[in-house]
Amino acid sequence: QQQVKQSPQSLIVQKGGISIINCAYENTAFDYFPWYQQFPGKGPALLIAIRPDVSEKKEGRFTISFNKSAKQFSLHIMDSQPGDSATYFCAAKGTNIHFNKFYFGSGTKLNVKP
Amino acid sequence: GAGVSQSPSNKVTEKGKDVELRCDPISGHTALYWYRQSLGQGLEFLIYFQGNSAPDKSGLPSDRFSAERTGGSVSTLTIQRTQQEDSAVYLCASSLRLQGARTGELFFGEGSRLTVL
Repeated sequence: QQQVKQSPQSLIVQKGGISIINCAYENTAFDYFPWYQQFPGKGPALLIAIRPDVSEKKEGRFTISFNKSAKQFSLHIMDSQPGDSATYFCAAKGTNIHFNKFYFGSGTKLNVKP
Repeated sequence: GAGVSQSPSNKVTEKGKDVELRCDPISGHTALYWYRQSLGQGLEFLIYFQGNSAPDKSGLPSDRFSAERTGGSVSTLTIQRTQQEDSAVYLCASSLRLQGARTGELFFGEGSRLTVL
């Protein structure tokens, strides 16, 4: 059973536009939801993360929106830039013994056109 | 070093040979993960070590794959009798358990690219 489902698989956005990537999770035991950014030839790096006690977290042009009741969270990239072109992974993790490892979505390849 | 270190960065081997991939996590990190990433694909979970607990091996694709973590630090992923479908980037990551079992950030290495001819 896939614990975290991510969409879309790929996304093309014009420079200055808004990029939106969505994730849905299965288990209410998850209590930490990070987004990772991966450039070609590099390992993923943490971009932004949220815990379920807040509905939104903003860091610069990057915002996570979190809907606990729907078990969904999304990444919004405002004023998207060509340098944002990368693959983005959402993830979820819990602290109880059954869900205490990171579960990753399948990734979204973002291409921001100049 | 300050980050997660993996070696070798690139490995080319012949089908049927055994390979070992090494991961040096960030000092003091109690959790260590191995993931596999095929070309253009997502992160496939392989194995997870947390402190002194028994590792979660649920992601290992076959009994040709094994991993160990010595002294709670360095980890080695071993692939025996390699097959062409094992070609991928193998990523290691580590994290620190925070107070109250809260989750710390997961830090990735740059990966070991394995090519099986």
